[in-house]
Formats: sequence, structure tokens, C-alpha cells
Amino acid sequence: AQTVTQSQPEMSVQEAETVTLSCTYDTSESDYYLFWYKQPPSRQMILVIRQEAYKQQNATENRFSVNFQKAAKSFSLKISDSQLGDAAMYFCAYRSAAEVGGATNKLIFGTGTLLAVQP
Amino acid sequence: NAGVTQTPKFRVLKTGQSMTLLCAQDMNHEYMYWYRQDPGMGLRLIHYSVGEGTTAKGEVPDGYNVSRLKKQNFLLGLESAAPSQTSVYFCASSYSGRRGWTQYFGPGTRLTVL
Repeated sequence: AQTVTQSQPEMSVQEAETVTLSCTYDTSESDYYLFWYKQPPSRQMILVIRQEAYKQQNATENRFSVNFQKAAKSFSLKISDSQLGDAAMYFCAYRSAAEVGGATNKLIFGTGTLLAVQP
Repeated sequence: NAGVTQTPKFRVLKTGQSMTLLCAQDMNHEYMYWYRQDPGMGLRLIHYSVGEGTTAKGEVPDGYNVSRLKKQNFLLGLESAAPSQTSVYFCASSYSGRRGWTQYFGPGTRLTVL
């Protein structure tokens, strides 16, 4: 079974600085997707960025980028120029790409990293 | 286009009471999911559905039942609520296959069982 591990329960960053959140995963599959979701105090789950495992190029979305190391099974999130609005819980998630029914579409989540942004 | 909506947003139950959470999506997604979120444990899949009239168990299905009578709605039922079911419940939906690699989440329902 696949697992996702976030080893940093809490992180803190100064406004305008850069922070990196860590995520490792375990799988025997070669084709899958990885995601970072943001959950602010409103509880809404917001997709931040996604990566397809077969793509070697790291995904970027404005101030958010990932460092995807497939061999090491590592998927870290870098937030540049941190803003107060970035303060939230961040979840790393895995999804198989196997095309066998809805079960393979399920997301497997890590336990989250709570990010605080200091003014 | 409201996306994924959940009703109610908050609910307090007494042990043994029953209730139904409603999830609705207007994106014509085939797949729908119910997750629960507990402190320190991330989100875990309760039940899911790959289409109208079909449901299946996820990782933590005990104590819950689901139904999907219409494509746009996915109901989660608690027949006899227990304090261990105190949690935040999220519904999500997606397309099938590779087009469905992104799941869209509702705003969540905070349930407290006393």
C-alpha cells in the first residue's frame, strides 16, 4: 500500500522569505500523481500544485514550485516570497494513475505541515 | 457554477442519533468521495462512488453508509452516531480516468458527537 509522510508537523517563515516543506512517499508503482493542498483556517481544501510522475520537469505555479525526486520518492514544496496569506496547513497527497475504477482515484494524504508566516 | 457543496456546515449530535450529510456537485463528475479529517491524521477515505447507483468502501467505512441515487449527489449517513465519529467530513468529486486526476473538495462539515 502507498503511504505519504510529512515529517515536519510545524514550520515557520518570515514574510518575504522562502520556505520548503518536505514530503516523502512509498509506492511500487511507476505512474502516479502528486499534489500539494493548502488548508487555511476556513477549512477549504485548495489545490496548490500537482505533478505527474512521468514528467521530469518540476511543476511551478507562481510563487510555488516543487522539487520532485522520483528515485528518492521525495516531493518537496518551495514557497518563495512568503506572504501572510500563505499561513495554513499544507498536505501532500498521492494518487495512483492506474485506470482501474474509482478506488485508484483516491487520494492518500500525509498528516500535514502547519505553516506560520511571521510579519 | 457552485462546484462542490456540503450540507450542513456544522452539526452536533448525541450518541445514538442518526443523520445524513449531503454532498452536491454541478461539474458532471463521475466519481465522488467522502473523507474524514482528524487531528494529526490527515484525510482518510470513508466511501466512494464511481457512478450513479454504485458505492464502495474506502479505508475507514465502519459506522457509515452512503448512497448515490443521482449523479450529482452523494449522501453520507450515520445510523447511530458515536463520539469516535466526531470529525470534519469532506466531500470531493472528480472526472473518471486520467481526466480526473484532480479532485475538487467541498467546504467540509464539522460534526460533534456528544
